Amino acid sequence: GEDVEQSLFLSVREGDSSVINCTYTDSSSTYLYWYKQEPGAGLQLLTYIFSNMDMKQDQRLTVLLNKKDKHLSLRIADTQTGDSAIYFCAESRYSSASKIIFGSGTRLSIRP
Amino acid sequence: SAVISQKPSRDICQRGTSLTIQCQVDSQVTMMFWYRQQPGQSLTLIATANQGSEATYESGFVIDKFPISRPNLTFSTLTVSNMSPEDSSIYLCSAQRGNDEQFFGPGTRLTVL
Repeated sequence: GEDVEQSLFLSVREGDSSVINCTYTDSSSTYLYWYKQEPGAGLQLLTYIFSNMDMKQDQRLTVLLNKKDKHLSLRIADTQTGDSAIYFCAESRYSSASKIIFGSGTRLSIRP
Repeated sequence: SAVISQKPSRDICQRGTSLTIQCQVDSQVTMMFWYRQQPGQSLTLIATANQGSEATYESGFVIDKFPISRPNLTFSTLTVSNMSPEDSSIYLCSAQRGNDEQFFGPGTRLTVL
């Protein structure tokens, strides 16, 4: 079946890099996403990667995909207090691109 | 992009009652969806709201418990019927235009006593 797993918590010092990891089980996954949820807000799509890519960089964000191990990671460089949020890993298949399967979310906290 | 608003933003309800949540998109969209996020849990898709026809429900969700309307391309409602404390969750609406990304509303935080 479809399953996406993430660790629940991550604490990093301000200015350091944050790396949030995710594993998924569906080998048919076509799109892999990272969403951000701030307190009291909806979900914001941060970035996504197609399954035929192994890396994508967008300013402070770097996504790495190891398709063989079904492992996805999100690196946030120079982590700031505004990065405090819950980060959800998610996946979908091309054939049903609208159905998104979410992980449990990783709560990122920033310490001074 | 699309801007999505939801009403109410939060509510506290008594068990056995029903609550209707509204979702409004600022532009026409192809698809609208309803998700549930239980406390400390991930998001689970409840159903796809189809314009002009019955919603398509995911496994474990039924129309009698979660009736959905979608009268046009910018608006949908989700009703949580005959509520129990287990229905306490955040309910999120999302919308998608063609093959673009899904945009999410701010969610409705429901507490059932």
